[in-house]
Amino acid sequence: AQSVTQLGSHVSVSEGALVLLRCNYSSSVPPYLFWYVQYPNQGLQLLLKYTSAATLVKGINGFEAEFKKSETSFHLTKPSAHMSDAAEYFCAVGNQAGTALIFGKGTTLSVSS
Amino acid sequence: EPEVTQTPSHQVTQMGQEVILRCVPISNHLYFYWYRQILGQKVEFLVSFYNNEISEKSEIFDDQFSVERPDGSNFTLKIRSTKLEDSAMYFCASRPWGGGYEQYFGPGTRLTVT
Repeated sequence: AQSVTQLGSHVSVSEGALVLLRCNYSSSVPPYLFWYVQYPNQGLQLLLKYTSAATLVKGINGFEAEFKKSETSFHLTKPSAHMSDAAEYFCAVGNQAGTALIFGKGTTLSVSS
Repeated sequence: EPEVTQTPSHQVTQMGQEVILRCVPISNHLYFYWYRQILGQKVEFLVSFYNNEISEKSEIFDDQFSVERPDGSNFTLKIRSTKLEDSAMYFCASRPWGGGYEQYFGPGTRLTVT
């Protein structure tokens, strides 16, 4: 079975500050991990993915995430927040069989000027 | 850039009525999915569809739900007799064969059952 836990339902940062959104997973098989972003009234957009290649994954809009097997974590970071980063972020786990994605509860990121 | 589309964007229906939510997946994709997100809750998997049959379904996907690929482009979710608790945002997703197994999501249909 697979599951995802996102620590912190709401994260607030100032513009220009580091963004850190936490995600821990549980999986009995090698996981594929994803971060999706959802802007208000829009669908889910893929930010980045981990599929057993490089453990540090770079995505769109300056985001990156590091897969740490020993910590079962896949935290999302961005060195400098921008106002346009304000959105809801979802971590999800899948597997090589390409079955359903299991999502975390999401973290709302607020960015203040 | 190809994208998944969904219609309608918002559907209001009365309890007990049937609704059909429509999706047009990305054209060369082979796997199709429906998810739902009840307001304020996580995105939940409903069903996956491959090679014209259901490949996986969750416990949420009971007998009142059905999916169909009526032609080469559309993928539909039917709810036979809607309940108040079916009110949610429904997302369609698709993915190609192989690759990174990421799924591409549509903008969603907000279903409101009154």
